[in-house]
Amino acid sequence: DTEVTQTPKHLVMGMTNKKSLKCEQHMGHRAMYWYKQKAKKPPELMFVYSYEKLSINESVPSRFSPECPNSSLLNLHLHALQPEDSALYLCASSRPLAGSTDTQYFGPGTRLTVL
Amino acid sequence: AQSVTQPDIHITVSEGASLELRCNYSYGATPYLFWYVQSPGQGLQLLLKYFSGDTLVQGIKGFEAEFKRSQSSFNLRKPSVHWSDAAEYFCAVGPTDSWGKLQFGAGTQVVVTP
Repeated sequence: DTEVTQTPKHLVMGMTNKKSLKCEQHMGHRAMYWYKQKAKKPPELMFVYSYEKLSINESVPSRFSPECPNSSLLNLHLHALQPEDSALYLCASSRPLAGSTDTQYFGPGTRLTVL
Repeated sequence: AQSVTQPDIHITVSEGASLELRCNYSYGATPYLFWYVQSPGQGLQLLLKYFSGDTLVQGIKGFEAEFKRSQSSFNLRKPSVHWSDAAEYFCAVGPTDSWGKLQFGAGTQVVVTP
């Protein structure tokens, strides 16, 4: 099974709201990723967790706050977003091979609209 | 500088015809290579990958890709396209000697006509 699940599928929020995106995998992967994807563009890496520790932050604004409460779950907390943050947010997971890249498996994404 | 190039932004193909999507990379050493497909509003699905060994790689949905080291290319092919193959296709590369992020090409949108 190579399934990564994400909830919610769609989210509409105002600029003053606080919301969270959730990602879950049960493949035993210990690396998890958040990507942002704008229309007609490739995914852009935001954060990487390895063994539940944040290992890469691609200079993402602090209004995005990731959390990895355990090896299966990854959250992205959203606060005071801007309309330009509207995008498809993708979660992925992989084995964190030492010294090498491994295959990333993606979830279906959360379509976020900021009003 | 490292880069991944998908020269074709948009390809239109008739159902039943063959399809080839191009991917070229510029990298310090031969990277790991991936092809992903994304249907509208969906996540990315792995079609196939090349790590080492046989340079002709078979994937899901009837796709195959050929790695050519001399041309720094990893082109994706399908002999007979189905209407359900209409999607965005992304080539991606990752380093073999360090744990690093994937670098994606800009993507190729495939339209399938009846």
